[in-house]
Amino acid sequence: QKEVEQDPGPLSVPEGAIVSLNCTYSNSAFQYFMWYRQYSRKGPELLMYTYSSGNKEDGRFTAQVDKSSKYISLFIRDSQPSDSATYLCAMKFGNEKLTFGTGTRLTIIP
Amino acid sequence: DAMVIQNPRYQVTQFGKPVTLSCSQTLNHNVMYWYQQKSSQAPKLLFHYYDKDFNNEADTPDNFQSRRPNTSFCFLDIRSPGLGDAAMYLCATSRVGSVNTEAFFGQGTRLTVV
Repeated sequence: QKEVEQDPGPLSVPEGAIVSLNCTYSNSAFQYFMWYRQYSRKGPELLMYTYSSGNKEDGRFTAQVDKSSKYISLFIRDSQPSDSATYLCAMKFGNEKLTFGTGTRLTIIP
Repeated sequence: DAMVIQNPRYQVTQFGKPVTLSCSQTLNHNVMYWYQQKSSQAPKLLFHYYDKDFNNEADTPDNFQSRRPNTSFCFLDIRSPGLGDAAMYLCATSRVGSVNTEAFFGQGTRLTVV
């Protein structure tokens, strides 16, 4: 079993829809949780960072962490074609390395 | 105001010819990472520096080496590139030891081996 599981997609939704992206993890030691957006042929761009259970909102993006269920989500409201990218979840604990999900490829259809 | 800068963005090298990729950062972060990312795959950690301490992943081939001459710069050396080493190479930094320990990535160097 992988430490971090993420549905690779692809996921296609119409413009304006709410998008839900999810990761589950098995290592209860993970403390820090990140979501990255990666456009084709570019480096990952940090979207959201959190280190506690609950919700964190930034504009159209909401990150949700449920440590008891070992489950994290990223919600995108009012999705735009410019949101089309691969979304990677990542997590770590202490000084350890980042562990990534495989990424979900998202397409927003105009 | 790029914070993690990788050069070059695109690199073509010949099979077996040594190549060096560079990364610099303006964030004064104490940790620098090198990842390899192949198409449609998650980034795979090759090694990282915690300050000057080098940490190699167990499955990183000996063909890959790294240098960190100072806080701001880190280099990835591929001694004898093979066709299987063609990938995007990503540099990232983070500040370990504080609450804000998120990692920031550069734009990557896409390596082609011919």
